[in-house]
Amino acid sequence: GAGVSQSPSNKVTEKGKDVELRCDPISGHTALYWYRQSLGQGLEFLIYFQGNSAPDKSGLPSDRFSAERTGGSVSTLTIQRTQQEDSAVYLCASSFPGLSTDTQYFGPGTRLTVL
Amino acid sequence: DQQVKQNSPSLSVQEGRISILNCDYTNSMFDYFLWYKKYPAEGPTFLISISSIKDKNEDGRFTVFLNKSAKHLSLHIVPSQPGDSAVYFCAASAISSGYSTLTFGKGTMLLVSP
Repeated sequence: GAGVSQSPSNKVTEKGKDVELRCDPISGHTALYWYRQSLGQGLEFLIYFQGNSAPDKSGLPSDRFSAERTGGSVSTLTIQRTQQEDSAVYLCASSFPGLSTDTQYFGPGTRLTVL
Repeated sequence: DQQVKQNSPSLSVQEGRISILNCDYTNSMFDYFLWYKKYPAEGPTFLISISSIKDKNEDGRFTVFLNKSAKHLSLHIVPSQPGDSAVYFCAASAISSGYSTLTFGKGTMLLVSP
């Protein structure tokens, strides 16, 4: 079946602009996670959704970052007033039902470049 | 403060030999550990996991060993194949949290040469 998809695959933006990144999880997966990978770093947790609610937003680096999930499916990660340090690959993962030992399935990521 | 450390950025191995990838963690709350494999331009894919109640888990050519007292785990690939060439990430979570936000290491790039 279809895996996790993310769009766009690449995004180049100018400093100060807002960007929206989209994640389509595997159908039926109730848990959704956002991570980012900066150059030379490991994956860094950003936010976790269970259904449409986000019980853990502890990884969001600043108030410029926000995310929402609608219909228990698609999620968007919004970065306002982008900065050069926001440049990274943003990865989305989903799992069912969201227990700690569930396998997370990752999308291919969105490479964000802030000029 | 890195809670999961992969101190070797890269590893080169000949086809047919054993690959050993190492990972150390500092957070004693971690009790579930995973290895993910990542090819360029793709998302990480799950490889193998181990719970802290075990010290070994095996799946085909892949074996993960956990040494809780040393807070160390390793992934053994035997025999290594050229198709195993990828970046391998060690990840950890705390089952007690009830959900699985993973903490990742920086990854080790494995190159298996024919």
